[in-house]
Amino acid sequence: GMPVEQNPPALSLYEGAESGLRCNFSTTMKGVQWFQQNHRGRLITLFYLAQGTKENGRLKSTFNSKERYSTLHIKDAQLEDSGTYFCAVDMNYNQGKLIFGQGTKLSIKP
Amino acid sequence: ETAVFQTPNYHVTQVGNEVSFNCKQTLGHDTMYWYKQDSKKLLKIMFSYNNKQLIVNETVPRRFSPQSSDKAHLNLRIKSVEPEDSAVYLCASSTRDRVNSDYTFGSGTRLLVI
Repeated sequence: GMPVEQNPPALSLYEGAESGLRCNFSTTMKGVQWFQQNHRGRLITLFYLAQGTKENGRLKSTFNSKERYSTLHIKDAQLEDSGTYFCAVDMNYNQGKLIFGQGTKLSIKP
Repeated sequence: ETAVFQTPNYHVTQVGNEVSFNCKQTLGHDTMYWYKQDSKKLLKIMFSYNNKQLIVNETVPRRFSPQSSDKAHLNLRIKSVEPEDSAVYLCASSTRDRVNSDYTFGSGTRLLVI
């Protein structure tokens, strides 16, 4: 299977709602990164996690290397949160070669 | 401003032509990358350079060739483009020993081959 599987492929939320995205990994990973790709196409780094949980405003991410998954939780969704969210891992340590999930397209409705 | 800069933003060309995309980073990183994002938004690495040395070269057609003059620049040349080369090409940079914590992408070059 794919080394990184991301779900759901698409998600639609109303403003103010909350939900979570998930990435599952085929093997134990050293760390995970989460990116948002906005409507202009730029990939913006949201989090890098080697373990545990990080929060930044309305976003929270968790990485469980033993259970081989990571989550990204969005609360109080805003219109500007719309975009495609990717998780990515570096499977060849120290080469910087990121393997990306397929992405979750998030649409926020007013 | 410190960032990853890509030019051009868009390029339309005909099958068989040669194209070249530029990428510059002003972040002081030592490693640069080219990724291809297809029409389904799947992102795949093509090349990686560390201090002007090629360290990753995925299985890409030989018509693709990266060019690095110094650690702040990594260009991508495509000889004789084909329709399947239509995609968004994303340049990125990082610091090799902190690769996952400071990965930064450019805004991409959208190529359309007609």
